[in-house]
Amino acid sequence: DIQMTQSPSTLSASVGDRVTITCRASQSISRWLAWYQQRPGKAPKLLIYDASTLEVGVPSRFSGSGSGTEFTLTISSLQPDDFATYYCQQYISYSPTFGQGTKVEIK
Amino acid sequence: QVQLHESGPGLVKPSETLSLTCTVSGGSISSYSWSWIRQPPGKRLEWMGLISYSGNTNYNPSLKTRVTISADMSKNQFSLRLTSVAAADRAVYYCARAITGGPSLYFDSWGQGTLVTVSS
Repeated sequence: DIQMTQSPSTLSASVGDRVTITCRASQSISRWLAWYQQRPGKAPKLLIYDASTLEVGVPSRFSGSGSGTEFTLTISSLQPDDFATYYCQQYISYSPTFGQGTKVEIK
Repeated sequence: QVQLHESGPGLVKPSETLSLTCTVSGGSISSYSWSWIRQPPGKRLEWMGLISYSGNTNYNPSLKTRVTISADMSKNQFSLRLTSVAAADRAVYYCARAITGGPSLYFDSWGQGTLVTVSS
């Protein structure tokens, strides 16, 4: 299995802050990475796929970058709706795995 | 817009079989691939397996001996069976639409999830 590790596990930030979450893969996954947002008690929502392609309808303040083993999700200006947990997911192997999540909390 | 809805028992006895169904509306299951993903409370998401638009299946190696995913095209539903459940199988179970093609395997639409508890 390819292991996905996110950092930090928890992040405290204020509305308007620029926020960056890192996801590292245990081996190269090229650009085969997706990011999801999960609000409490809700299903995950796809934000980004192929490391940097924004899903239709996702605000442009979300962006993704990276390749190989290191990836980032950036929220350029944090909004109240963005306080949630974010997960990365690799799909280079036909056995996708997820990171442990990064919870973005209100400072 | 496609919508997915999980249904099935919320309580299963240890050693028995967990069975869930996902009903898809707003689109045909024969046009896409579909997956089951679970999330134990407070833990990361775990992909369980996939059934393709052609009926082929692919399972997480860690669950392969216990998982079966099947589809009923006439009802626009797909189902999950997980045998020999134990306490560690307590989780929220999600069904999701899988985007596949080349190396792609990510999930663009999800059901709301259903909590399954394993207890006697």
